[in-house]
Amino acid sequence: GDSVTQMEGPVTLSEEAFLTINCTYTATGYPSLFWYVQYPGEGLQLLLKATKADDKGSNKGFEATYRKETTSFHLEKGSVQVSDSAVYFCALSNYGQNFVFGPGTRLSVLP
Amino acid sequence: DTGVSQDPRHKITKRGQNVTFRCDPISEHNRLYWYRQTLGQGPEFLTYFQNEAQLEKSRLLSDRFSAERPKGSFSTLEIQRTEQGDSAMYLCASVRGDRQPQHFGDGTRLSIL
Repeated sequence: GDSVTQMEGPVTLSEEAFLTINCTYTATGYPSLFWYVQYPGEGLQLLLKATKADDKGSNKGFEATYRKETTSFHLEKGSVQVSDSAVYFCALSNYGQNFVFGPGTRLSVLP
Repeated sequence: DTGVSQDPRHKITKRGQNVTFRCDPISEHNRLYWYRQTLGQGPEFLTYFQNEAQLEKSRLLSDRFSAERPKGSFSTLEIQRTEQGDSAMYLCASVRGDRQPQHFGDGTRLSIL
């Protein structure tokens, strides 16, 4: 079945540092890919999405590009803030399949 | 789009008691999912509904768990004879269809004393 692998962290960065969280997937066909963010005590919030190869999803300074050739959807941000501290989940959705989540990556940004 | 709402946000109960959680999905979404999440882990799939039909249940959903979605609108998740291991965050999500993003509620945090 479909699966998602992501770097598990935790990742600790200083404010204004560059962020990359790696995500790779295994799936048949052309799934949609997503990044979700979860703040303490809250549900998951959709951060960005991409539905086909070479699509770039972006939101709040975060970006991820759907790379079919490397089956990857890495999350990047040029300059992180303390408020970005959270857990980030990579996920995919395919035809006739339930959502598949990665294990999550905890990000801590220090002032 | 008022979002997915879950009630209550927190539930504290004694071991052996029954609890029921409610989820109100986004109105035009026909699929509704329940997940369980423990500290430091990702969401674990429990069950999902397409309209009022419960189409799949995880092995995590023991006989003590039951979920309903009458009339294809809101859903309830009941846990009977709660155990310590049931302590977790229970998340509900709704989605319009295949390859669309799931929209999550803020969850119900269950604590078993």
